[in-house]
Amino acid sequence: KQEVTQIPAALSVPEGENLVLNCSFTDSAIYNLQWFRQDPGKGLTSLLLIQSSQREQTSGRLNASLDKSSGRSTLYIAASQPGDSATYLCAPTDKLIFGTGTRLQVFP
Amino acid sequence: DVKVTQSSRYLVKRTGEKVFLECVQDMDHENMFWYRQDPGLGLRLIYFSYDVKMKEKGDIPEGYSVSREKKERFSLILESASTNQTSMYLCASSSRGGLYGYTFGSGTRLTVV
Repeated sequence: KQEVTQIPAALSVPEGENLVLNCSFTDSAIYNLQWFRQDPGKGLTSLLLIQSSQREQTSGRLNASLDKSSGRSTLYIAASQPGDSATYLCAPTDKLIFGTGTRLQVFP
Repeated sequence: DVKVTQSSRYLVKRTGEKVFLECVQDMDHENMFWYRQDPGLGLRLIYFSYDVKMKEKGDIPEGYSVSREKKERFSLILESASTNQTSMYLCASSSRGGLYGYTFGSGTRLTVV
């Protein structure tokens, strides 16, 4: 059964740092992988979708990479800001399962 | 902008009541999903549907049922609400095969008293 693990579970950093959030999955036979952001009490907002033929996607200060052979995806956040504080989740889009997330706090 | 709309943001119901949570999407997506989210447990799949009038049980279907009479609407039903069903409920949709990923609604925070 597919399992999705996110490390670290929580992260607290000062503003300006470059961050790395990790997502690993046990079944490498996935199609696409998606990263989300969730603010407290809200739904999930899609950040990046990496399709099976791609190795990475970029949007502004965010960059996500995908290595299906090793069962890993990484989300890079450059020059973090307090507004980036949220929980970040990853999910293979065809497996119906989500990681438990990384709770990020960026302080001024 | 594409949307998944959940009918209520906050809901308070009494134990034993029948509760309906509604979800509507405007993207012509084939797939629709209901998850619940609890602290420390992440998102857990309750039910999903790959087509109109089709439904599949997820990991925690007990105490819930669903209805999908139209492609755009997927309803979650709590037949007899209990306090352990107090949770955040999230609806999502996706195209066939998940090609373009999930789109989520804003969630319904249900409290059963």
